[in-house]
Amino acid sequence: GQQVMQIPQYQHVQEGEDFTTYCNSSTTLSNIQWYKQRPGGHPVFLIQLVKSGEVKKQKRLTFQFGEAKKNSSLHITATQTTDVGTYFCAGYTSGTYKYIFGTGTRLKVLA
Amino acid sequence: GAVVSQHPSRVICKSGTSVKIECRSLDFQATTMFWYRQFPKQSLMLMATSNEGSKATYEQGVEKDKFLINHASLTLSTLTVTSAHPEDSSFYICSARDTGGDYNEQFFGPGTRLTVL
Repeated sequence: GQQVMQIPQYQHVQEGEDFTTYCNSSTTLSNIQWYKQRPGGHPVFLIQLVKSGEVKKQKRLTFQFGEAKKNSSLHITATQTTDVGTYFCAGYTSGTYKYIFGTGTRLKVLA
Repeated sequence: GAVVSQHPSRVICKSGTSVKIECRSLDFQATTMFWYRQFPKQSLMLMATSNEGSKATYEQGVEKDKFLINHASLTLSTLTVTSAHPEDSSFYICSARDTGGDYNEQFFGPGTRLTVL
């Protein structure tokens, strides 16, 4: 079945450093979503990417969808302690009517 | 943003009992809701897709007779864990898709932590 993998699994950074998580799908996606889950909380929607090669920015966060629509990345510039949490990508394949969540990347930011 | 509630937030039960978890979309209608299971420090595993007015679609490996799903209205889906056993202890999260929204995004409930003794 479809698999969505993320790397790295964990990342510890010093506050102010940049952070990137990569998402790879075993199948071509129609669109991809990114979510953030704070410790003890539930996933919160961040963004959706639809077009091949699409890049979207939200303040310090930059999201990219690969040309082949099988991979995506989330880059955080100058991390802050509020960025702590687990970041999940979720891939949607047309006809399946469901999103498959990636394995997640847990980010810790050291002050 | 849209709000999804889940009840109860925590439940502790004895082995062999059944537990019902409710998922409600508070300010939008959701023809589709999803039920996930999340083990500590792991990803969300989709269990089933709940469709209003029809049978739920279960993922491979999920026992439909053990995890009963009912989606009786456009704002409510329920998951019943029947004859719960300690291995069913987990964090169960529902989500609802706002089909009227711009991004077809999923809004997640706060989750239910189930502990089976």
